[in-house]
Amino acid sequence: QKEVEQNSGPLSVPEGAIASLNCTYSDRGSQSFFWYRQYSGKSPELIMFIYSNGDKEDGRFTAQLNKASQYVSLLIRDSQPSDSATYLCAVNFGNEKLTFGTGTRLTIIP
Amino acid sequence: EADIYQTPRYLVIGTGKKITLECSQTMGHDKMYWYQQDPGMELHLIHYSYGVNSTEKGDLSSESTVSRIRTEHFPLTLESARPSHTSQYLCASSEQLNTEAFFGQGTRLTVV
Repeated sequence: QKEVEQNSGPLSVPEGAIASLNCTYSDRGSQSFFWYRQYSGKSPELIMFIYSNGDKEDGRFTAQLNKASQYVSLLIRDSQPSDSATYLCAVNFGNEKLTFGTGTRLTIIP
Repeated sequence: EADIYQTPRYLVIGTGKKITLECSQTMGHDKMYWYQQDPGMELHLIHYSYGVNSTEKGDLSSESTVSRIRTEHFPLTLESARPSHTSQYLCASSEQLNTEAFFGQGTRLTVV
């Protein structure tokens, strides 16, 4: 059974600090990785995707992928109250449909 | 911005009624998906489609059915709604299976 695992939280981070969200997955053949943000009562929206080992930066967001250790993380620098949401990790296992984690609820404390 | 639309946004309906939730996308994506999500809970894939005339069951068993007669349209039908069907239903599409999925705004269904 292929799995994507996330700590459900809640994760509380002071405003202005770095929020670190982690995701582990169970299959070494995985190809592509995605981070979605979902506000309460809304639909998920894509923040970033990453395909290769290493870091990928986009504004305040950095995705980190380590295929050998089977984890992908999302760092949010200079956290803002508007970053408070649930963050979903999604993995594509070898050209199959996306598998989503349960999500981590992040709260930024003003 | 993703061009995927769901109607209605909110629906309150009585037990036993037949309902169809609409989902349309204008991006020409072959792959489309239906997810079910209860408040504060995880996404569950209930149906997906590889393209026209293709429909597959998802990871979570559902009493709903889907059809894919046109590329842009992927409606979900409940023949007889029950209170246990109360949930949010999210439609999504992607260009390929291994590319990002774009979500519609969702339909919040309440069966009374």
